Amino acid sequence: DTAVSQTPKYLVTQMGNDKSIKCEQNLGHDTMYWYKQDSKKFLKIMFSYNNKELIINETVPNRFSPKSPDKAHLNLHINSLELGDSAVYFCASSQGQGSQETQYFGPGTRLLVL
Amino acid sequence: AQSVTQLGSHVSVSEGALVLLRCNYSSSVPPYLFWYVQYPNQGLQLLLKYTSAATLVKGINGFEAEFKKSETSFHLTKPSAHMSDAAEYFCAVTHSGGYQKVTFGTGTKLQVIP
Repeated sequence: DTAVSQTPKYLVTQMGNDKSIKCEQNLGHDTMYWYKQDSKKFLKIMFSYNNKELIINETVPNRFSPKSPDKAHLNLHINSLELGDSAVYFCASSQGQGSQETQYFGPGTRLLVL
Repeated sequence: AQSVTQLGSHVSVSEGALVLLRCNYSSSVPPYLFWYVQYPNQGLQLLLKYTSAATLVKGINGFEAEFKKSETSFHLTKPSAHMSDAAEYFCAVTHSGGYQKVTFGTGTKLQVIP
């Protein structure tokens, strides 16, 4: 009964490959997010969706493309992977898009690009 | 623009001692402030949040934080550290009226010494 789940947990791949990370939440939340956490633990928002609509799109290379087939899922597709993409990617969700909402995080996907 | 500064990337305390993790914020509008905890190889979990109600906020696991507007601070405290408190702690800020675009601090790693 995991609240926010991500697959895969670990991802090791070669430069230039294309990969996807999947995220699902069973909390009935309307808003979902993708974050990138670098090797220094700095956490930065990448995207946010509310009811399948993109509401936050930070300065992220267009090799990164989020897709939300329904409000319970937010997937992240990365084209032409680069060494600098190595990081931990966290999915999160919140009840609404208001700024006081608590975010619930998934366990993270550890991406290593060789 | 909004930001948070966490003083001390590493803090060590003895088991049973007071825990004090410092966070100062900068925001041009009234802020909402959060403390999240990240245990090894896990996602972030909310400890507590300030959303303009009581300035002293109590959270889970015996933690509390006090919002001090005059000092632009939101320090996290716990009277007596437990071994299970060893983790990374993140202060975060957003502001009322906007989307949930959270800005995280760089984190403070808490070590608890037996």
